[in-house]
Amino acid sequence: DGGITQSPKYLFRKEGQNVTLSCEQNLNHDAMYWYRQDPGQGLRLIYYSQIVNDFQKGDIAEGYSVSREKKESFPLTVTSAQKNPTAFYLCASSFRTLDEQYFGPGTRLTVT
Amino acid sequence: EDQVTQSPEALRLQEGESSSLNCSYTVSGLRGLFWYRQDPGKGPEFLFTLYSAGEEKEKERLKATLTKKESFLHITAPKPEDSATYLCAVQFLYGQNFVFGPGTRLSVLP
Repeated sequence: DGGITQSPKYLFRKEGQNVTLSCEQNLNHDAMYWYRQDPGQGLRLIYYSQIVNDFQKGDIAEGYSVSREKKESFPLTVTSAQKNPTAFYLCASSFRTLDEQYFGPGTRLTVT
Repeated sequence: EDQVTQSPEALRLQEGESSSLNCSYTVSGLRGLFWYRQDPGKGPEFLFTLYSAGEEKEKERLKATLTKKESFLHITAPKPEDSATYLCAVQFLYGQNFVFGPGTRLSVLP
């Protein structure tokens, strides 16, 4: 079955630690995205990538980093510089950046 | 600044009671408008894409329509399983990224 997987579903970390969230897709999509969702707010774009080895900052990139070494994978690292890292993180992909996006199941990160 | 708003914030309906959700945008040129359904604790599920004013799309009890400044998601004779948060996202003409609205939380009571 084609789709987008994110792991883990729940993640707990202590303040000051970096943490990496996984996102894999087997849809053969070129574009991939990371969003953050907080209660009562719309999804906010962190980073996106249109093609392998290329990525762009979104609206709230500070404190995050990404890599795109393979078409199928777009991991997100939440660094200790991110002031409010506790949130629900969603990965998405699309054939091109102009097309509808398909989302993974999300990772809920809690930092204490 | 391009913005997307949704109303109402929350809506409670009785099973079978039809209604509409609204998505409004301040626009510098619309490339496309997208509707998603999101269940609690899960990723959004794609429903529809609309590109031009007057366009309509239907899927089961849902129908999405688009004007120059807003979109409506009409829900006809809803069932409890239609309970979810409905998100709209706009892709503006002079950018590639989606701008998401905050969503409408729909509850359909049996």
